[in-house]
Amino acid sequence: AIQMTQSPSSLSASVGDRVTITCRASQGIRGDLGWYQQKPGKAPNLLIYDASSLQRGVPSRFSGSGSGTEFTLTISSLQPEDLATYYCLQDYTYPPTFGQGTKVEIK
Amino acid sequence: QVQLQESGPGLVKPSETLSLTCTVSGGSISAYYWSWIRQPPGKPLEWVGYVYYTGTTNYNPSLKSRLTISLDTSKNQFSLKLTSVTAADTAMYYCARSRDQYRNSWYLYWGQGALVTVSA
Repeated sequence: AIQMTQSPSSLSASVGDRVTITCRASQGIRGDLGWYQQKPGKAPNLLIYDASSLQRGVPSRFSGSGSGTEFTLTISSLQPEDLATYYCLQDYTYPPTFGQGTKVEIK
Repeated sequence: QVQLQESGPGLVKPSETLSLTCTVSGGSISAYYWSWIRQPPGKPLEWVGYVYYTGTTNYNPSLKSRLTISLDTSKNQFSLKLTSVTAADTAMYYCARSRDQYRNSWYLYWGQGALVTVSA
């Protein structure tokens, strides 16, 4: 199975900060990567698919980039409601595999 | 708006079978891919498997020998059965639907989750 490694595992930032999360795949996955936001006690919510496509209804401060083995999720201006754990997911080959998560806290 | 709801026992004894059902409302189950995804307490998400509306299935190799996912179109439901469970199967189990009709990916609609604990 393809291993997905996220960094950092956690971060603390202030409201208005630019936040970047990285996801690295153990082998090339083209652009078959998505990003999910999971708030405490809730199911995950799809933010980005196909590496850079913003899911309808998701705020434009979220963006994704990358291809091959390295991908990033950027929050351009962190908001209090962005407190959550963020997961990447590769869909290039079976089984689909998630990263271990990045917990975002607000200072 | 499509909604999914998991149901089933919250406690299962070791070596027994874990059974969950996902009821879909607001849309037909006769299209799209329908998946189970689980999350052990404090741990990352793990894809369990899917059933396509045609009845075709695909399972995580780590669970394949113990897993069955099936579809009941008459009830607009799909189900998961996991045999010979151990404490390692303790998790929140989510059912989810694919974003696209022809690709099992980018799970867009999720149930609220069902916590299943394996314990004697």
